Amino acid sequence: AQTVTQSQPEMSVQEAETVTLSCTYDTSESNYYLFWYKQPPSRQMILVIRQEAYKQQNATENRFSVNFQKAAKSFSLKISDSQLGDTAMYFCAFMKTSGTYKYIFGTGTRLKVLA
Amino acid sequence: DTAVSQTPKYLVTQMGNDKSIKCEQNLGHDTMYWYKQDSKKFLKIMFSYNNKELIINETVPNRFSPKSPDKAHLNLHINSLELGDSAVYFCASSPRTGRGYEQYFGPGTRLTVT
Repeated sequence: AQTVTQSQPEMSVQEAETVTLSCTYDTSESNYYLFWYKQPPSRQMILVIRQEAYKQQNATENRFSVNFQKAAKSFSLKISDSQLGDTAMYFCAFMKTSGTYKYIFGTGTRLKVLA
Repeated sequence: DTAVSQTPKYLVTQMGNDKSIKCEQNLGHDTMYWYKQDSKKFLKIMFSYNNKELIINETVPNRFSPKSPDKAHLNLHINSLELGDSAVYFCASSPRTGRGYEQYFGPGTRLTVT
């Protein structure tokens, strides 16, 4: 069975600074996807970034980038130039590409951006 | 236009009642899901339907019954509500192909059982 671990329950960062959220996972699958979702106080789940396991290049989306280390089963999210609107819960999620297509979520990291 | 909508957004009810949450997606996706987010924010899959066929049924009490009248709708019916059912329930949909199987979430339904 797959598991996803987010070891940082809470983090804070000053506005305009950079922060890294960690995520590790355990799987015997070779093909899968990894995701970071953001859940602001509005409760809406918003996709931040996605990584295909077969791609060695780290995904980037504007101020968001990942450090994907497949051998180490690590998938961290880096937020550059943090903004107040980045304050949210961040969830790491795993999905294998065979069988049923369900997310396995981590327990989340609550990020607070300080003015 | 809202891609994935849920009704109601808030639901307060008493123990023992039966309630339903409705979900609709206008994205043309084949697959829909129900997730439960507990008070500690932990998200867990409950059910998934693909083209009206149940494909995921996690360890969920029989009091929870999903129904998919067509591939654009997935409703969740809960019988004999218990205090422990209080949570936020999210509906999601995905195309299962392309775009990394991204799932699109509804706004959530906060269920409070008193």
